[in-house]
This record gives sequence, C-alpha cells and structure tokens, in this order.
Amino acid sequence: DIVLTQSPGTLSLSPGERATLSCRASQSVGSSYLAWYQHKRGQAPRLLIFGASSRATGIPDRFSGSGSGTDFTLTISRLEPEDFAVYYCQQYGSSPTFGQGTKVEIK
Amino acid sequence: EVQLVESGGGLVQPGRSLRLSCTASGFTFGDYTMSWVRQAPGKGLEWVGFIRSTPYGGTTEYAASVKGRFTISRDDSKSVAYLLVNSLKTEDTAVYFCTRQYSSALYYFDYWGQGTLVTVSS
Repeated sequence: DIVLTQSPGTLSLSPGERATLSCRASQSVGSSYLAWYQHKRGQAPRLLIFGASSRATGIPDRFSGSGSGTDFTLTISRLEPEDFAVYYCQQYGSSPTFGQGTKVEIK
Repeated sequence: EVQLVESGGGLVQPGRSLRLSCTASGFTFGDYTMSWVRQAPGKGLEWVGFIRSTPYGGTTEYAASVKGRFTISRDDSKSVAYLLVNSLKTEDTAVYFCTRQYSSALYYFDYWGQGTLVTVSS
C-alpha cells in the first residue's frame, strides 16, 4: 500500500493567514489520483480537492491543491474562521489510503 | 441534497457480530459505488471496503486488514448499504463512515455520512 505522510502534524495560524499543508507519498501516485478532505469533529468529512488540483463542487477558491508524483500541497490562501479543522490527503491510484491528518488550529 | 445516514453502532462484546446500515437519499443510489471508511479513536481515516453499483456487478473490494471478517452488501430498492462485521476485535473500535464513491473506477469519496460509533469491549 502507498503510505501518505502529512506535515506538519499541527499548524497554528490566525484568521487571514495562509496555510500550506504537505502530503508526501511513499511511491508515485499514478495520474495524480490525490484528494484532500476537511474534517470537523462530529461532522461528516468534506471533499475539497480531487485529481490533486480540482476543486469539488461548492468549495471556495481560497482552497487550492497542487503537486504530482510523490509531493502534494493543499493551500488555503486566507484562513476563514470555519477553516480550522483537520485535513486529510488520500490517494486513490491504488488501494485507497489516507494520511494521518494535519490539524489547523487557531493561534 | 445528498444525505448518508449511518446506524447500527453501539457497544458490542469481542467475538460478536454487528451490522451497520447506511441509508442514502438525494441521489440515484443504484448508480453509485458505496464505501465504508473508519476512524479509530485518536487515529486517522482507514478505508474498509466498497461495493460497486449493480450495473458494474455489485462486486466488493476490501482492505487487507479486514478481508474475511467484513462483508459489504446493498439493497438498491431501499437505498441502503450494509457493513457486516464478524468476530469483532477491540481494535475494530472506531467511528464508521459511509461514503459515496465518485465512480466505480475513481476511489475518492464525494459525500460522507456523520458516522456511527462502534465500541468493542467486554
């Protein structure tokens, strides 16, 4: 299975700041089959990005994804109060696997 | 509006079985592959398995960690997906999420339920 390693584990930022989250794969993710999800405690996770860089329906354009091969990035250009959550990357080039998550918390 | 509602979780003894249900609405259930994903306490997300839509054979795939103990099925007439977990272990304690898979070929999840908690303990 492809192992995904997310960094940092926790990101402490203030509203309005830029967040940069990293996801590194143990081997190349074919066809950029990489998705990002947002998860708030007690809620259903929400798909943000698929295909490494395509925003899902209804996702604000402050969320953007980039990368290919083994290195992927989720960027939130200006943090809104509702963006503080845990973010997971997931590869679907082979048997699906998730990263361990990055918590974005209010500084 | 797409909705997925899980039910059937609870406290269960090791070695017992449990069936979780996922009731879907807001889309043509029979057209979609449905997956289950779980999250153990303090841990990340783990894909459990999926069942393809009936037009694609209704076949199933499972993570190696659960293969042989977990069975996913579906009833398109009721818009319900099921996850049967046999021989429960303490390490199966988790919130179990039902998800709609984008397609039978692309294994990412465009809608999720809020999850149902399964606690395995004596």
